[in-house]
Parts: sequence; structure tokens; C-alpha cells
Amino acid sequence: GENVEQHPSTLSVQEGDSAVIKCTYSDSASNYFPWYKQELGKGPQLIIDIRSNVGEKKDQRIAVTLNKTAKHFSLHITETQPEDSAVYFCAARSSNTGKLIFGQGTTLQVKP
Amino acid sequence: DARVTQTPRHKVTEMGQEVTMRCQPILGHNTVFWYRQTMMQGLELLAYFRNRAPLDDSGMPKDRFSAEMPDATLATLKIQPSEPRDSAVYFCASGLVSAGTFAETQYFGPGTRLLVL
Repeated sequence: GENVEQHPSTLSVQEGDSAVIKCTYSDSASNYFPWYKQELGKGPQLIIDIRSNVGEKKDQRIAVTLNKTAKHFSLHITETQPEDSAVYFCAARSSNTGKLIFGQGTTLQVKP
Repeated sequence: DARVTQTPRHKVTEMGQEVTMRCQPILGHNTVFWYRQTMMQGLELLAYFRNRAPLDDSGMPKDRFSAEMPDATLATLKIQPSEPRDSAVYFCASGLVSAGTFAETQYFGPGTRLLVL
């Protein structure tokens, strides 16, 4: 079945450093890859997304890269700040079913 | 600003009781999703609707769960009878699909935290 693997499960960085989270997907029909940030007690919030016809997208300190051949995509956060601390989820949407399949999440801790 | 709202935010109930969770999607959105989040399984899609019609509920245990959209401003998820293994956070999300939409952005509500004793 469709599956999304996300690594690492936890990540701790010093403020100002970069953080990278990686995901791989199994469904070659996936065509849309959003990233969500979830803070404690809240619902996931979209922070950036990328379509399958694009290799990279950037929004200020956040960037996402996609390698369709290898079926993996990554989230890059530069100049991390304490308020970036949260759980981050990747997801892949199948063009066949329209459903989002989520990774297991990465808990990011940014130490001041 | 426009947000998905969910009620109740917290629910504690006893095994065997009926639980009803409600969701108000963002006004104008035509797609509604129900997810369940647990530590073990992560975020799982239970069901989703487009223009109030159920498109997929394959992730939902059919014997005890039901999802409906009585109108465009209300989606409900019911569990009857509830069991301790149903304890989780249930999220509703909404999105807009229109002609030419590549993929709808899903906007999540704050969730209903359910504990079944």
C-alpha cells in the first residue's frame, strides 16, 4: 500500500543552525507533497508544498526539494529559531486516490 | 480570519457511549476530511467528502463509525459504541477544489481530544 517514511523522528539543533528532514514515498503516482507544522495542542498547519513538476521551492527560511526518480523529498530550515520547535509532518498525495498519506512526524527542538 | 472549527475540543466518555464530533469547514470550501491522530499510528485519514458527498471512507471502521455532512457548513463524525481504543485526537480539515485545481490545500481544525474510559 501507499507509505511515507520520515526521518529522523527527533532532531535537536542550536539556534541559528540548519535543520533537514527527509521523507521517502512508495506511490509513484504521487504528485503533490505538502509539509505541515504542528504545535502542541493545535492542528497541523501547512508551511510549504511542492508539486511533482518542480524540483525545488523556497519561502524565506524554508525550502523543499523533490527527487522524483528516487521518490524522496526534504524540508530544509535555515537560521533556526526557538519558535521553529514543533512536530513536522511530510505528506504525499496520490493522483489516483487524491488522499494525503502522512509521514510519522519529526519532533524538532531548537535550543536557544 | 477564516478557520476550521471543531466541537467539542475535549471529550471524556465511558466505553459503550455514543460520541459525536462536529466540524465547521471554512466558508466556501467544498472538501472536508476527517483524520485520527495517535502516537502509534500517526495521522490516518478516516473519510472525506466533496460537495457533501462521501468520496472515501475506507479508513473508517464501518461497524461503529459514521461520517455525514448534513449541510455545507457542518460535518459530523459519530462513534457508537465507543471503545477505549478509539481514544485519540480527531481532526477535521477542509479545502477548496475548483476547475484547474492541482491539489487542494488542507486547512486543519484544532482537533477534538477524545478519551474513552
